[in-house]
Amino acid sequence: GESVGLHLPTLSVQEGDNSIINCAYSNSASDYFIWYKQESGKGPQFIIDIRSNMDKRQGQRVTVLLNKTVKHLSLQIAATQPGDSAVYFCAERPWAGTASKLTFGTGTRLQVTL
Amino acid sequence: ETGVTQTPRHLVMGMTNKKSLKCEQHLGHNAMYWYKQSAKKPLELMFVYSLEERVENNSVPSRFSPECPNSSHLFLHLHTLQPEDSALYLCASSPKTWTTGSYNEQFFGPGTRLTVL
Repeated sequence: GESVGLHLPTLSVQEGDNSIINCAYSNSASDYFIWYKQESGKGPQFIIDIRSNMDKRQGQRVTVLLNKTVKHLSLQIAATQPGDSAVYFCAERPWAGTASKLTFGTGTRLQVTL
Repeated sequence: ETGVTQTPRHLVMGMTNKKSLKCEQHLGHNAMYWYKQSAKKPLELMFVYSLEERVENNSVPSRFSPECPNSSHLFLHLHTLQPEDSALYLCASSPKTWTTGSYNEQFFGPGTRLTVL
């Protein structure tokens, strides 16, 4: 079946450096993608989203890049801070008109070292 | 805080117990969801309610029984669970209805950590 996955289960980054978290998706019909952040003891928190008609979207210190040719999604975090330590999930929405739903990846743990 | 609350935060129960998980959203959303999060596995969608009507059931065992009395509240009734049901159960809500197919961001609660002995 279709799946969303992450290349690296754990990413260690020094404080102040930029982080890049990658995600591969297999459903070429997906039209919408979201990145979530989940801190220990909390539920997932929306970070940023992007539609398939875009290849880049920027937020506050975060940028999402979408490469539909290779079905790849990435999350870039600028000037990584200790508070960025969390598990990051990508999710895709396979376009299906009505009743579409999100498919989540397994997550990448980001560890920020001082 | 996301505006979605869940109680209890932690629950330990035996296989013969009956318990209920509660979720409440204070965001005026029209769709609510139950997810199961197990270690090293992706989030698994269990149930979706849109305008209080169940519109999605991902072949979840009948020992899990959802209830949505109104658009702000969602329950998950648990009965004769198995140890493999131990997981983090997350509730979420979204602004638009499921059937429009255009819901976007889902707002998650903190989850209930369930342990079945």
